[in-house]
Parts: sequence; C-alpha cells; structure tokens
Amino acid sequence: EDQVTQSPEALRLQEGESSSLNCSYTVSGLRGLFWYRQDPGKGPEFLFTLYSAGEEKEKERLKATLTKKESFLHITAPKPEDSATYLCAVQAPNNDMRFGAGTRLTVKP
Amino acid sequence: KAGVTQTPRYLIKTRGQQVTLSCSPISGHRSVSWYQQTPGQGLQFLFEYFSETQRNKGNFPGRFSGRQFSNSRSEMNVSTLELGDSALYLCASSLALEKTQYFGPGTRLLVL
Repeated sequence: EDQVTQSPEALRLQEGESSSLNCSYTVSGLRGLFWYRQDPGKGPEFLFTLYSAGEEKEKERLKATLTKKESFLHITAPKPEDSATYLCAVQAPNNDMRFGAGTRLTVKP
Repeated sequence: KAGVTQTPRYLIKTRGQQVTLSCSPISGHRSVSWYQQTPGQGLQFLFEYFSETQRNKGNFPGRFSGRQFSNSRSEMNVSTLELGDSALYLCASSLALEKTQYFGPGTRLLVL
C-alpha cells in the first residue's frame, strides 16, 4: 500500500535556526510530490510540486528537494510567520493523492 | 483570480441528519476533489470529479456521495450523519486530473 511518512511530527526552532522536514514515501510510479502549508483553521496552501528525482524548487526561505524515496523541505533562517503545519502528498499513477500526517513547525522569536 | 470557495464555512448538525456542502473551483479548473481532515486521521481523500464524472473514490462508506455540475461546481452529501463525521471538509480544484490541486478554506462540520 502507498505510504507517506513525515518527520518529525513537531519541530520547534528559534528564529534564524535553519532545519529540514522529511517526507518519505513508498509509491510505484510517482506522478508528483506536493508540499503544502496549512495554518490553523484554514485550507492547505500550495507550495511546491516536484516530479522527478534530483528536482529542486525554491521559494523565499523554503527549498524542496526530491529523491527516489524521500523529499526534504529545507527552511533557511525561519521567521515566526513560517510557523504552520507542513503537509506532503504523493500522487500515484491512478491519480490517487495520499497525504502525510504533517510536521507542525513552531518558530520562536 | 478568485480562489476555491466553499459554503457554508461552519455547520452544526445532529446524528441521523444529512448535510450538503458546496464547492466552487477556481475559474477554468475542471477537476474537483474532496477530502476529510480530522486530528486523528489527517487528510483523507473522498472522491474526485472531472467533467461531471467521478474519476476516483476513496475508502469511505456509501453515505458519502458527491456530484459535479456542468460549470464544474461540486457538492458533496453526507447522509445519516454520525458523530465521527465531525471534521473539516476540504475541496480542492485543479486544471486537470494530474495537475496541482488548490484548496479552499474548508467547511467545518460538527455532529452532535
């Protein structure tokens, strides 16, 4: 069965303290891997789509990378406004979308 | 460009009742997917519609149903509500089946 596992479950950082979030997956024929950010009480906000191993995408303080088994979301010099839950999702060949449980990030000033 | 809109935003129902939730996708998007989000189970896929046809379905009982209209707007219905149906119901739209999904703000359903 396709699985998506995110780690850690929760991460507390000081402002400016860089770190990485992990998303490991088991799916044959990955169509795409997606990162979303979700604030409490709101819908997920799209961040990145990655399609093939070796691909990287950047947006402000965030950088997403993809290998054949996992993806990392690197956060450089985070600010308190980066606090949110970060969700990873994989799309299988039949277009099924499977989401991980998320990493709850807290950035303290 | 307006984003995905969902109505109502909040809903309180009692066990045994039924509920209909509505989703208007981003203009030009033809695919609409529905998800249930709970603290214990996370985001779980309900179903996906494209061109008024259900293309994919998650592992939910038949009490959960949906439809899509010719203007791509979608509705989902839950009949005979149970306490466990309390959740945030999210709608996401995309240009096509394999494209990036953009989420609406969700409808928070509380079943008493």
